[in-house]
Amino acid sequence: GAVVSQHPSRVICKSGTSVKIECRSLDFQATTMFWYRQFPKQSLMLMATSNEGSKATYEQGVEKDKFLINHASLTLSTLTVTSAHPEDSSFYICSARVPGQGRGVTEAFFGQGTRLTVV
Amino acid sequence: AQKITQTQPGMFVQEKEAVTLDCTYDTSDPSYGLFWYKQPSSGEMIFLIYQGSYDQQNATEGRYSLNFQKARKSANLVISASQLGDSAMYFCAMREISSGTYKYIFGTGTRLKVLA
Repeated sequence: GAVVSQHPSRVICKSGTSVKIECRSLDFQATTMFWYRQFPKQSLMLMATSNEGSKATYEQGVEKDKFLINHASLTLSTLTVTSAHPEDSSFYICSARVPGQGRGVTEAFFGQGTRLTVV
Repeated sequence: AQKITQTQPGMFVQEKEAVTLDCTYDTSDPSYGLFWYKQPSSGEMIFLIYQGSYDQQNATEGRYSLNFQKARKSANLVISASQLGDSAMYFCAMREISSGTYKYIFGTGTRLKVLA
């Protein structure tokens, strides 16, 4: 299947600093990428949809100025957690849509996830 | 509004036995896709199986099969011949195809533990 690489896998940062997480599609061009957040023992919650060359679409309740998303190329989307606080500690995972996939196959492949700890 | 419900927070199964993980969904879209993903402790989401709303037959992928009952709006995952490596979190997800947004909605997950 298609490969989506997410980096870093783990990051610890100090409160008040910013952290950037990268999501790359390695063997296909992803016009659309998704960013999810997962609290311990909970489900994945969609934060935003990232479209190449345009502004991201954020889900209700997600702070746009806190979670900056940039999708500058067809293979890279970044999520920047600005002025991080301990409550931002979570598992962040991206997925990329593989264009042209029809029924019967998955349309989205996931990165390995990033565990963010803000201290 | 679309919704995915997984009512089993945790399940145990003996190695080599079969297990069924429940998933019910709610949507007003006549065209939708249902997915099951496995999430081991490392965190990555591993695609297991897909069922389209118009598919006539239940999907199967190796030891995984999906018991799709459209009228009941259920899409249960059946794992046959469980293996120790099957121990993980399992998520049911749905995408409303007609919406064209490619947004996935996930259930709360079921933690499966396979016993030796």
